[in-house]
Amino acid sequence: NAGVTQTPKFQVLKTGQSMTLQCAQDMNHNSMYWYRQDPGMGLRLIYYSASEGTTDKGEVPNGYNVSRLNKREFSLRLESAAPSQTSVYFCASSWRGLEETQYFGPGTRLLVL
Amino acid sequence: AQSVTQLDSQVPVFEEAPVELRCNYSSSVSVYLFWYVQYPNQGLQLLLKYLSGSTLVKGINGFEAEFNKSQTSFHLRKPSVHISDTAEYFCAVSVPSGSARQLTFGSGTQLTVLP
Repeated sequence: NAGVTQTPKFQVLKTGQSMTLQCAQDMNHNSMYWYRQDPGMGLRLIYYSASEGTTDKGEVPNGYNVSRLNKREFSLRLESAAPSQTSVYFCASSWRGLEETQYFGPGTRLLVL
Repeated sequence: AQSVTQLDSQVPVFEEAPVELRCNYSSSVSVYLFWYVQYPNQGLQLLLKYLSGSTLVKGINGFEAEFNKSQTSFHLRKPSVHISDTAEYFCAVSVPSGSARQLTFGSGTQLTVLP
């Protein structure tokens, strides 16, 4: 049982480049989330998916897109990376909604030059 | 919109001493409260949560927290800390938002346990 896995672990991009962060969970959870973590700001929700086939914006969705490919996988895409998107990105999942315990992946550290 | 305030960004404490990490929230509606811990270079993991019932909640690794509705607080405590408790701790609050709920994290408290 791997829990929540994320790839890649590290990435360096140039401004304007695009990339997709991958996330998968093997706990049969319905809900999945993408957060970014910046120093002194805690975690901020980018997008979430309450169930397969649905996605909703969180607190800071601008500059990102998501795809809930199936129940297991939830990807985050940066179409044109900006230095302000330098951050640590965490994927999480939960059985149902935000009242439930969330299980986090190990994170992706992204640097945009 | 609700907010979560973790009053101390850094808390140094000696090994075997007690510790309290403070969390206050602003919401007048039904809240669910969480404490998560993040060890270096890892994701977050749940320490404990309050959904309803007893206001004193016990979690993993000897931590506990008390929900105080009148003071809108959910402080985290441990009577005797270990070196291994060195980590960043996040308080989070979940409130109703339409048909779903919204979760907001505090900015975190770095607990450093000194030998």
